[in-house]
Amino acid sequence: SAVISQKPSRDICQRGTSLTIQCQVDSQVTMMFWYRQQPGQSLTLIATANQGSEATYESGFVIDKFPISRPNLTFSTLTVSNMSPEDSSIYLCSVVTGGKDTGELFFGEGSRLTVL
Amino acid sequence: AQKITQTQPGMFVQEKEAVTLDCTYDTSDPSYGLFWYKQPSSGEMIFLIYQGSYDQQNATEGRYSLNFQKARKSANLVISASQLGDSAMYFCAMRGLYSSASKIIFGSGTRLSIRP
Repeated sequence: SAVISQKPSRDICQRGTSLTIQCQVDSQVTMMFWYRQQPGQSLTLIATANQGSEATYESGFVIDKFPISRPNLTFSTLTVSNMSPEDSSIYLCSVVTGGKDTGELFFGEGSRLTVL
Repeated sequence: AQKITQTQPGMFVQEKEAVTLDCTYDTSDPSYGLFWYKQPSSGEMIFLIYQGSYDQQNATEGRYSLNFQKARKSANLVISASQLGDSAMYFCAMRGLYSSASKIIFGSGTRLSIRP
């Protein structure tokens, strides 16, 4: 299993500002992901955070808007840049542990952002 | 491409009854894993059960079982003897084990409400 800590747990932000979310895992993990959950919606994958290289973004998400860092196997950050009210969501850090054929996805508590 | 479909946006069930939550999927990966997660109103994501595409038997975890029908591409979650604490959002998810770089995608979810 894995214990994931996210900061901040919630924040209220002004339009046009940027916020960085931190994700700390209690063990080294290979695969780390960032998801967004808009109000009343399901989870949408933003990107895969790759250690030592650029993140792999899903369709509809770009690096300029959601820059991601992953300096080592236990830590990652997601920045939500130039925020608008449409960015109000829960942002979740997640990791896969275990073998290739199983690999339960563990989640952090999420960071609930409200953009005014 | 991968796709997960949950056609039941909401369900009401009487306490102690069994309930089946539907999930169908589509993938080009020859090997994949299927997951179910529970999200109570607190927002945390709770892993319930996993089924590998080559597993011979349907997965079971306590009151949860997964009715896996590979030919029909369905992976329904069955909750036996439902309890009030089962009221939550339930998400079906899938991970391709080869071409999809192990990322996990989620269905739109089913909101389950248990009546006393």
